[in-house]
Amino acid sequence: NAGVTQTPKFQVLKTGQSMTLQCAQDMNHNSMYWYRQDPGMGLRLIYYSASEGTTDKGEVPNGYNVSRLNKREFSLRLESAAPSQTSVYFCASRKWSQEAFFGQGTRLTVV
Amino acid sequence: AQSVTQLGSHVSVSEGALVLLRCNYSSSVPPYLFWYVQYPNQGLQLLLKYTSAATLVKGINGFEAEFKKSETSFHLTKPSAHMSDAAEYFCAVSDLRGNKLVFGAGTILRVKS
Repeated sequence: NAGVTQTPKFQVLKTGQSMTLQCAQDMNHNSMYWYRQDPGMGLRLIYYSASEGTTDKGEVPNGYNVSRLNKREFSLRLESAAPSQTSVYFCASRKWSQEAFFGQGTRLTVV
Repeated sequence: AQSVTQLGSHVSVSEGALVLLRCNYSSSVPPYLFWYVQYPNQGLQLLLKYTSAATLVKGINGFEAEFKKSETSFHLTKPSAHMSDAAEYFCAVSDLRGNKLVFGAGTILRVKS
């Protein structure tokens, strides 16, 4: 089983460029999440989607947008990348009240 | 809104010693609680979870955690540390609705030989 698949795995952007991180899950989960991981700060929630058609802001939503395209896919868009957005991004999905399953992460560098 | 505090960003223990990683949560309703482990350059792996059944939860690799409502705590323990336990550990909380899932800042566990 593929589980949660994120693309790309690595990306280098110039300041001001835009990009979309893709995430897809094949476990029929309702909820999906985007986190960023920075040293000493743990995983911080950017946006989440409790079900198809809904999205909500997390702890650090500024500078990001999301789209829940269908039940399987949840994308994260950076409209104008900034060096402060250099991070490792993780997508996750889960069933209500159960544990989250994570993708392998996207390492993004903004120069 | 729920939140998680992990006391101690770094914990160092000797091989064979007790491991204790602390987690305190804040939630206005009964929570669901999780511990994850992350090895270097890898994704997150579930260690154990509390979802309102038994308050003492056993997980993988000999870890366990006890939910204490009066202390709003969910500390992770292992009786005897092994070198392979060296990793970063994250506590996470979700509310009764089960949607928003937030993590603590993590604790890096070092095991000395």
